[in-house]
Amino acid sequence: SQQGEEDPQALSIQEGENATMNCSYKTSINNLQWYRQNSGRGLVHLILIRSNEREKHSGRLRVTLDTSKKSSSLLITASRAADTASYFCFAGGTSYGKLTFGQGTILTVHP
Amino acid sequence: DAGVTQSPTHLIKTRGQQVTLRCSPKSGHDTVSWYQQALGQGPQFIFQYYEEEERQRGNFPDRFSGHQFPNYSSELNVNALLLGDSALYLCASTPGGPGGADTQYFGPGTRLTVL
Repeated sequence: SQQGEEDPQALSIQEGENATMNCSYKTSINNLQWYRQNSGRGLVHLILIRSNEREKHSGRLRVTLDTSKKSSSLLITASRAADTASYFCFAGGTSYGKLTFGQGTILTVHP
Repeated sequence: DAGVTQSPTHLIKTRGQQVTLRCSPKSGHDTVSWYQQALGQGPQFIFQYYEEEERQRGNFPDRFSGHQFPNYSSELNVNALLLGDSALYLCASTPGGPGGADTQYFGPGTRLTVL
């Protein structure tokens, strides 16, 4: 089974606007991780929220987690052109064999 | 402190050939996971190595095999290459043994093209 389904598939905004992307997963987790990938490169870890946390901030990033709905959201405030990338979530803590990344959200921030 | 490194950066092979990709984990990390990422898709988990043994495996055929060395570095081997094996292969390292709860540190990937 696949976890870490991101929504929307693509998001296009202007610099300075906020970007919100969502993630749904299927089974119990220890944590929920968000990653960014610039075109054709490795993934970079952005933020990790534990299953007993509801909200977490890191710089311009705000992550929420609703374990009852098995969903998470990532908010990037005051977006910059450099935020243009693909964003993936990863449900951490269960067997890797059932875990994978979804297709991600492609964020385009126009200058 | 060196991060995760992978070699080679790019590789071109023909169908039926065999390929070996290499990964050195981040300093202090003892667990290595491999992912395949096709164009436009998310990374798909291949397998994870810890203490020189395969600990977890995704839905990949036996043509995909691996190895971990005593210094924690790892290799991914793919035999009898198919066109569909063309992808970006990512290595990720974590500390603290097998599982899926730790933050993963990814290398830059190896782009494999099968002709």
